[in-house]
Amino acid sequence: DAGVIQSPRHEVTEMGQEVTLRCKPISGHNSLFWYRQTMMRGLELLIYFNNNVPIDDSGMPEDRFSAKMPNASFSTLKIQPSEPRDSAVYFCASSLIFPQGALHFGNGTRLTVT
Amino acid sequence: AQKVTQAQTEISVVEKEDVTLDCVYETRDTTYYLFWYKQPPSGELVFLIRRNSFDEQNEISGRYSWNFQKSTSSFNFTITASQVVDSAVYFCALSINYQLIWGAGTKLIIKP
Repeated sequence: DAGVIQSPRHEVTEMGQEVTLRCKPISGHNSLFWYRQTMMRGLELLIYFNNNVPIDDSGMPEDRFSAKMPNASFSTLKIQPSEPRDSAVYFCASSLIFPQGALHFGNGTRLTVT
Repeated sequence: AQKVTQAQTEISVVEKEDVTLDCVYETRDTTYYLFWYKQPPSGELVFLIRRNSFDEQNEISGRYSWNFQKSTSSFNFTITASQVVDSAVYFCALSINYQLIWGAGTKLIIKP
């Protein structure tokens, strides 16, 4: 079984540019999560979808961040415009049944904004 | 309020020693789920175990074991005969009411 697939693995961009991170959840999982991890703040939940519908986006830092899930097998996280403080590792995770089920994480996207 | 505390920020032991990582949680709900995840130096987050609040049986998987005690609101993780490959950050998490609350993590260093 393929796990959660994220792309790209690494992204380096200049301040002000648009960045799009992509995620393919595990087939059959109905919950999808976007997390950000930094040394200073640890793991932060950005947004959580259930059956493609955003349920909790209270962690999205500001209007520069947006996330979509057009179908059950694809999600994007977009940052426009990007800023150096957005540099972090962004993880996507999916779960078969939340909150009972475990989250299965992708390998993450390491974003560097210069 | 719900909370997960991993009081040990960093633990360093010599290979083959046993080590226990502590996790204490707070909740007033009776239905909840507890998890442990491992994040090795390569960076991925790996699911280790899940426990529901109604199942206090301890679990053993090879060198790994977990001790869930509702009386002390703890879900501790023990590695027996540690190995260098166990070096990682270990996170405990509490799932409740459609929220997943993470501990700050414990960095485990196993020295050869």
